[in-house]
Amino acid sequence: RKEVEQDPGPFNVPEGATVAFNCTYSNSASQSFFWYRQDCRKEPKLLMSVYSSGNEDGRFTAQLNRASQYISLLIRDSKLSDSATYLCVVNPRNYQLIWGAGTKLIIKP
Amino acid sequence: NAGVTQTPKFQVLKTGQSMTLQCAQDMNHNSMYWYRQDPGMGLRLIYYSASEGTTDKGEVPNGYNVSRLNKREFSLRLESAAPSQTSVYFCASSEAQGGGETQYFGPGTRLLVL
Repeated sequence: RKEVEQDPGPFNVPEGATVAFNCTYSNSASQSFFWYRQDCRKEPKLLMSVYSSGNEDGRFTAQLNRASQYISLLIRDSKLSDSATYLCVVNPRNYQLIWGAGTKLIIKP
Repeated sequence: NAGVTQTPKFQVLKTGQSMTLQCAQDMNHNSMYWYRQDPGMGLRLIYYSASEGTTDKGEVPNGYNVSRLNKREFSLRLESAAPSQTSVYFCASSEAQGGGETQYFGPGTRLLVL
């Protein structure tokens, strides 16, 4: 089993819709969690950290469920510019992040 | 601020050739990393440098060497390239190496080994 698993997609979503995807992780001792965004043929960039209490940044909401070992990302009122691959990242150890393979999101007009 | 820069952007090598990928950051970060990204897989850590003067192996170090030249620069060397090393290579940096810090990435180097 992979340490971090994501549905590769693609998720094809109409503009303005709400979309959510999950990421599961295997190490219950994992300490910190992140969502990064990667545009086609570009480098990853931090979208948001994921806190135990959940957190929101504008149209984006991230949740952590430690009991079931998954994190989620919800995007409301999706924009064409949200089209990208979303990478789930987990820190099971102090020095080495574990990266999911990503979920591809395509927003259609 | 340029952030993290990498050279070259693209490279084609023949099996057995060597090359060095260069990375520099101007954010005064202590920690630097080299990753490779292959289709259908997450980023995998090759080597990292927690601070100037130290380097450590990551998940997939075989076939690579690194040098932390100074606080700004961290290079990755392929001594004898193999087709399995065809990949996109990203350099990243962070303020510290605790795992909770944001990592900032360079634009990547696309390497094809024939």
